[in-house]
Amino acid sequence: SAVISQKPSRDICQRGTSLTIQCQVDSQVTMMFWYRQQPGQSLTLIATANQGSEATYESGFVIDKFPISRPNLTFSTLTVSNMSPEDSSIYLCSSRTQINTEAFFGQGTRLTVV
Amino acid sequence: AQKITQTQPGMFVQEKEAVTLDCTYDTSDQSYGLFWYKQPSSGEMIFLIYQGSYDEQNATEGRYSLNFQKARKSANLVISASQLGDSAMYFCAMRVGAGGTSYGKLTFGQGTILTVHP
Repeated sequence: SAVISQKPSRDICQRGTSLTIQCQVDSQVTMMFWYRQQPGQSLTLIATANQGSEATYESGFVIDKFPISRPNLTFSTLTVSNMSPEDSSIYLCSSRTQINTEAFFGQGTRLTVV
Repeated sequence: AQKITQTQPGMFVQEKEAVTLDCTYDTSDQSYGLFWYKQPSSGEMIFLIYQGSYDEQNATEGRYSLNFQKARKSANLVISASQLGDSAMYFCAMRVGAGGTSYGKLTFGQGTILTVHP
């Protein structure tokens, strides 16, 4: 399967600031997905990012808080804006290359907001 | 709506023994896929095994096998000959549909922490 390079792998940020997470795929993919994993919890989908259109956000997530860019078929960014300690989580990007194959993930970004 | 349920928050197994991690799912769609992922403490998500709703044979990948019981809507993961490196969080996940808006979009269970004892 394809490989996603995600960075940063971890960061400690001050409340009120923003962090941009980048994901680079080694092949072209139609959609990319951004998940949040709060401490001790499962993965929750934040949004789906299509190239050339606005991202589609899941219930409970809004663009002002989690703006997403998808400038081409191999790259996407997620920004966590105006951070608070409640945003401390692992953020993961994901995609697929073909139908009926597994979704593959970036290495994750472990974010701590202090 | 789709739902995945993992009822075992934690499981313990002795090294070299087999262990079964439970997963049940709920969907009204006929076409769906079931996945198991392993998440070590590093946080990465490692794909283990996939079962399609129309697959008649249970999926196997090395030491991993998926016990798929469609009528009971269960997709349990069996790990044979457990190793110390198998200690991790395990997630069951489901994708509904084969393409379109469901492309790559997964619903995850709550996870099971597996601990392998020497």
